[in-house]
Amino acid sequence: NAGVTQTPKFQVLKTGQSMTLQCAQDMNHEYMSWYRQDPGMGLRLIHYSVGAGITDQGEVPNGYNVSRSTTEDFPLRLLSAAPSQTSVYFCASSYSRPWESYEQYFGPGTRLTVT
Amino acid sequence: DQQVKQNSPSLSVQEGRISILNCDYTNSMFDYFLWYKKYPAEGPTFLISISSIKDKNEDGRFTVFLNKSAKHLSLHIVPSQPGDSAVYFCAARPFYNNNDMRFGAGTRLTVKP
Repeated sequence: NAGVTQTPKFQVLKTGQSMTLQCAQDMNHEYMSWYRQDPGMGLRLIHYSVGAGITDQGEVPNGYNVSRSTTEDFPLRLLSAAPSQTSVYFCASSYSRPWESYEQYFGPGTRLTVT
Repeated sequence: DQQVKQNSPSLSVQEGRISILNCDYTNSMFDYFLWYKKYPAEGPTFLISISSIKDKNEDGRFTVFLNKSAKHLSLHIVPSQPGDSAVYFCAARPFYNNNDMRFGAGTRLTVKP
């Protein structure tokens, strides 16, 4: 089991550029989420998905798009990068059934810098 | 607004002693609480959780206490080991949305040998 994988590990973008952060999991989890981590702010939920074809907004969705065409993959798209999107991005997955653990499994993160 | 607060950015303890990490929350709809541990350049990893129907949950050296009336939870690590040095995040989830997990800002624990 690879768990949750994220690519790339590091990325530098110029303001206005677009890019996609990749996330994949091999645990057959229904739930997948994207978080950003900023100093002094903890992790904040950007978007999440409860299954293939279903996505919803989290706490800080502006400037980001997601889609979930398969159970395994949950890419995060930055439409037009801004310096305020400089952050570390974490993808996570978990089971959805209530009798299973609610713990989330996190990927190693993508450090994004927007200049 | 930050619904989960960890007011101590850092904590330093001696190896073998107890580490107590604190967390406060404001949303009375939270019914499930988790602690995650994070090493540098890695993603957070799940440590221990507690449901709002309990006031204590224990797993080896780690115990989480929940005081619902005070909207406060704490993580006790006994005895602390140098390998416990990491950032610890408190997280909470409301009963009406399994996926709306809210995290605190984290506490950096340093365990000195």
